[in-house]
Amino acid sequence: EVQLLESGGGLVQPGGSLRLSCAASGFTISSYGMNWVRQAPGKGLEWVSSIGVTDGKTYYADSVKGRFTISRDNSKNALFLQMNSLRAEDTAVYFCAKELGFAKPFDYWGQGNLVTVSS
Amino acid sequence: EIVLTQSPGTLSLSPGERATLSCRASQSVSNYLAWYQQKPGQAPRLLIYDASNRATGIPARFSGSGSGTDFTLTISSLEPEDFAVYYCQQRRDWWTFGQGTKVEIK
Repeated sequence: EVQLLESGGGLVQPGGSLRLSCAASGFTISSYGMNWVRQAPGKGLEWVSSIGVTDGKTYYADSVKGRFTISRDNSKNALFLQMNSLRAEDTAVYFCAKELGFAKPFDYWGQGNLVTVSS
Repeated sequence: EIVLTQSPGTLSLSPGERATLSCRASQSVSNYLAWYQQKPGQAPRLLIYDASNRATGIPARFSGSGSGTDFTLTISSLEPEDFAVYYCQQRRDWWTFGQGTKVEIK
């Protein structure tokens, strides 16, 4: 059974850093494109970042480019999101999500992890 | 950036009725369009991919159609568990989501 379990969220001050983790089971993370998607309180879904399957190339939304870094550890079957220079507008529930196939939509999602940026 | 506009914002219907949700893209996304369902406090659930293909385990009452810039998600007969927010998503130019359509009980 495919499962994605996120951890690492919490309260952080503006300008601070946080690292989100997503532990995968039931599939091999290196065989699929993986993504982070966020949802601000009461708002819609926003794609944040992707990591490619073959070359590990990374991609970012303009809103987080230069501040966030996506990575994966194949030996741990885990996905990460390093978030630096956090702003109030980064406050959201962050989901990790697995692609159905190459450049396909997201068929499995984590349960979500709340990140609150506030002083 | 490709913008997806969903309509209506809210759809008030009764169980058993037909729901028709629209998603319009600011430029062609070919058939790279997906639909998700999200209930409060839960992660989104993939319903439809490549405009018209049902994801694994999705009931036949959900169907998708369209190509280019205009897409439709149809729920043929609403069940109580179908009242939720629905999002479209495109993959033609990175990933963007529509703003969502809430299907509520009338």
